[in-house]
Amino acid sequence: GNSVTQMEGPVTLSEEAFLTINCTYTATGYPSLFWYVQYPGEGLQLLLKATKADDKGSNKGFEATYRKETTSFHLEKGSVQVSDSAVYFCALTQRGNQGGKLIFGQGTELSVKP
Amino acid sequence: DTAVSQTPKYLVTQMGNDKSIKCEQNLGHDTMYWYKQDSKKFLKIMFSYNNKELIINETVPNRFSPKSPDKAHLNLHINSLELGDSAVYFCASSLDWGSSTDTQYFGPGTRLTVL
Repeated sequence: GNSVTQMEGPVTLSEEAFLTINCTYTATGYPSLFWYVQYPGEGLQLLLKATKADDKGSNKGFEATYRKETTSFHLEKGSVQVSDSAVYFCALTQRGNQGGKLIFGQGTELSVKP
Repeated sequence: DTAVSQTPKYLVTQMGNDKSIKCEQNLGHDTMYWYKQDSKKFLKIMFSYNNKELIINETVPNRFSPKSPDKAHLNLHINSLELGDSAVYFCASSLDWGSSTDTQYFGPGTRLTVL
């Protein structure tokens, strides 16, 4: 079945450090890939998405590229801020009769220290 | 204006009770979902409705019964609550269930604690 695996957290970084959160997936066909972010005490918000191979999603300084050959969608940011502290979820959806159902990775907690 | 709202935000109750969580979206979307987030923050889909019709039922115990009176509302009723039902429940909506590219918009969550 379809699945998403993320690097384990928590990840602790200093402000202005470079961030990478690894995400790999298993899916048949061509899924769409998403990164969602959950700030403390809140619901999930879409951070970025990519719907086909080699697409790059970007938002708020975060980027991720859909790599079909390595089945990966790693999240990167060049310089993190304290306000980026949150839990980050990689997820996929599949076309067909399961369309729209998000399958999530286990989440990676990021803590950024001043 | 809140796009996806849920009530209540917190729910504390005893084992064996019956409770409901309400969800409303004002985005004009056709599809709504319920997800469960466990204590380790893992998220899993429970149900999906499209235009008031059940599309996905992800082998959830039949103590959980979703109800969609119209396409802007999807409520979750839980009978005979168990300790293992303690979790955060998120409602979400998207434009159309048939598209795998649509963004899902999430509510703020309802933290259910069963004592």
